[in-house]
Amino acid sequence: QSALTQPASVSGSPGQSITISCTGTSSDVGAYNYVSWYQHHPGKAPKLVIYEVTHRPSGVSNRFSGFKSGNTASLTISGLQAEDEADYYCLSYTTSVTNIFGGGTKLTVL
Amino acid sequence: EVHLVESGGGLVQPGGSLTVSCAASGFTVSDSTIHWVRQAAGKGLEWVGQIRSKSNNYATAFGASVKGRFSISRDDSRDTAYLQMNSLKTEDTAVYYCSRRVPGIGGLDYWGPGTLVTVSS
Repeated sequence: QSALTQPASVSGSPGQSITISCTGTSSDVGAYNYVSWYQHHPGKAPKLVIYEVTHRPSGVSNRFSGFKSGNTASLTISGLQAEDEADYYCLSYTTSVTNIFGGGTKLTVL
Repeated sequence: EVHLVESGGGLVQPGGSLTVSCAASGFTVSDSTIHWVRQAAGKGLEWVGQIRSKSNNYATAFGASVKGRFSISRDDSRDTAYLQMNSLKTEDTAVYYCSRRVPGIGGLDYWGPGTLVTVSS
């Protein structure tokens, strides 16, 4: 099974908003509301920022939000800050009772 | 405070075996699903597999690239999960992370710092 499709890179200036898409199929993203998003700074453990498409874990800034339509999920970060610069990954549960990550998106804050 | 710590990584020859451990603390480990995720140098995150709780019959599932070669077990009395890796290939070289999923949160909310596994002759 191929990785979910994410853009390789996105960028934005401080204060702006960006959106990262995550496209799968009716067997993963489109099948369940079990899409989560992770922020990953190199050399550190990934951090959960969104779960079950739209939910934010305790302690995660409300600048992070999630959405899903059909087979595509998205992560929006508003009010970009320098510390948001990282790699972002989506993860989806699948109808094969497995999980699959997206290929990852490198966010650059200009 | 919730902690997960991997150990047991190292250098292994192609075709060899290695077991890495994930020690958990600060939560009721027996209620959680433990996931393994890896990242090869310069590559993205790859889901390796999971083991569910006793109430879910310790069911396991694996990604296609490791299915049939890797297995996962857990010892809730020791708050530890294990990733047994057999028939290792050079492409299995990666940092291996363990993480948890608990009821009510459909995501991996805590992660260990990772342990490096290098498969090379």
